[in-house]
Amino acid sequence: EVQLVESGGVVVQPGGSLRLSCAGSGFTFDDYAFHWVRQAPGKGLEWISQISWDGGSTYYADSVKGRFTISRDNSKNSLYLQMNSLRPEDTALYYCAKDKSGDGYLYFDHWGQGTLVTVSS
Amino acid sequence: QSGLTQPPSASGTPGQRVTISCSGGSSNIGTNNVNWYQQFPGTAPKLLIYNDNQRPLGVPDRFSGSNSGTSASLAIRGLQSEDEADYYCSTWDDSLNGWVFGGGTTLTVL
Repeated sequence: EVQLVESGGVVVQPGGSLRLSCAGSGFTFDDYAFHWVRQAPGKGLEWISQISWDGGSTYYADSVKGRFTISRDNSKNSLYLQMNSLRPEDTALYYCAKDKSGDGYLYFDHWGQGTLVTVSS
Repeated sequence: QSGLTQPPSASGTPGQRVTISCSGGSSNIGTNNVNWYQQFPGTAPKLLIYNDNQRPLGVPDRFSGSNSGTSASLAIRGLQSEDEADYYCSTWDDSLNGWVFGGGTTLTVL
């Protein structure tokens, strides 16, 4: 069974940094691309980043470009999101999602349960 | 990041057929396949339709998708109370080099 488990969400002050993690199991981790998708309280889904199977290709939404960095460690079956210069508008539930393909252009076939990031003083 | 346009709400009575539209442009829906996700309150989204009109294993055939030009739609026939959820369309945008989502449609079964 495919499982994605996010962790690392906490309350952080504006301007602070945070690293989210997503552990995958039940599939061959390094065969697939991954995404981070967030959902602000009471709002819709917002894609923020993707990484290819080998980490060689990454994309970011304009809202986080230059502040967030996606990475992966295939030896640990783990995906990461380094979040810097956090703003109150980054407050959201952050989901990791597995792509059906290795390059990230198909669809998100499995999702984790999310980890909550709150940016507040 | 410009998104796709969905109606914020839709409704129907049990047994009815309901459609949810998703409007985009030439750089997204006009060029790429559309996927649909279903989300119940307090839970993670789940893949409902992929590649415009394909259903993952386990998704009832009451759900169907279509893509025409720069618009896509999700149809639900034989509406059931358990279909009450939020529905999101999504596709890759060639101009933005990223994925875009619709704002989501809350479906109510009256």
